[in-house]
Amino acid sequence: GAVVSQHPSWVICKSGTSVKIECRSLDFQATTMFWYRQFPKQSLMLMATSNEGSKATYEQGVEKDKFLINHASLTLSTLTVTSAHPEDSSFYICSANRAGPAGTQYFGPGTRLTVL
Amino acid sequence: GNSVTQMEGPVTLSEEAFLTINCTYTATGYPSLFWYVQYPGEGLQLLLKATKADDKGSNKGFEATYRKETTSFHLEKGSVQVSDSAVYFCALSPPNDYKLSFGAGTTVTVRA
Repeated sequence: GAVVSQHPSWVICKSGTSVKIECRSLDFQATTMFWYRQFPKQSLMLMATSNEGSKATYEQGVEKDKFLINHASLTLSTLTVTSAHPEDSSFYICSANRAGPAGTQYFGPGTRLTVL
Repeated sequence: GNSVTQMEGPVTLSEEAFLTINCTYTATGYPSLFWYVQYPGEGLQLLLKATKADDKGSNKGFEATYRKETTSFHLEKGSVQVSDSAVYFCALSPPNDYKLSFGAGTTVTVRA
């Protein structure tokens, strides 16, 4: 199979602190990873596309200095929410693209972030 | 731009009932179309896909046909089970692009 993990699965932090979320492809190499945000009872909104060894490409309206993305290896991408505020509370989901037919993305289980 | 509109839920059904979830899209050219499923407490999983007009994707008893003329990709299952309770997302990716645009999701609950 193609398994993608995320860590942590949930995190609670105080306002003003930074939180790092890891996304790993466990049994395949992923040249491209995607980060999504999902609000309650809403769809997934693409935040950024992360390519190994290069800068992430952010979607319109997403603050790149707020959401720092690093794709250091073919199996690991990280999302750091800097100076988190309550409005950043959300469900963050990553996906990894396995080489093959377009759109073969494998999703992680998500990370629930709550900022107090 | 690209967008996906799918039937609002929630949908509640009895076991063995027929399920249809409507999905229409707006896109340039011939996008690839997908249905993803999210079971409680789990990540999204690809359920089925179709990459060109008139293709039919099928998996686990679910089917969807790529209809270019109506820009639709409706999901159907003839006899649902309790284990089909989940959130279903319709999605598209443009030609030669891995980016996915998702619909709002439809929550389906199947009662025994």
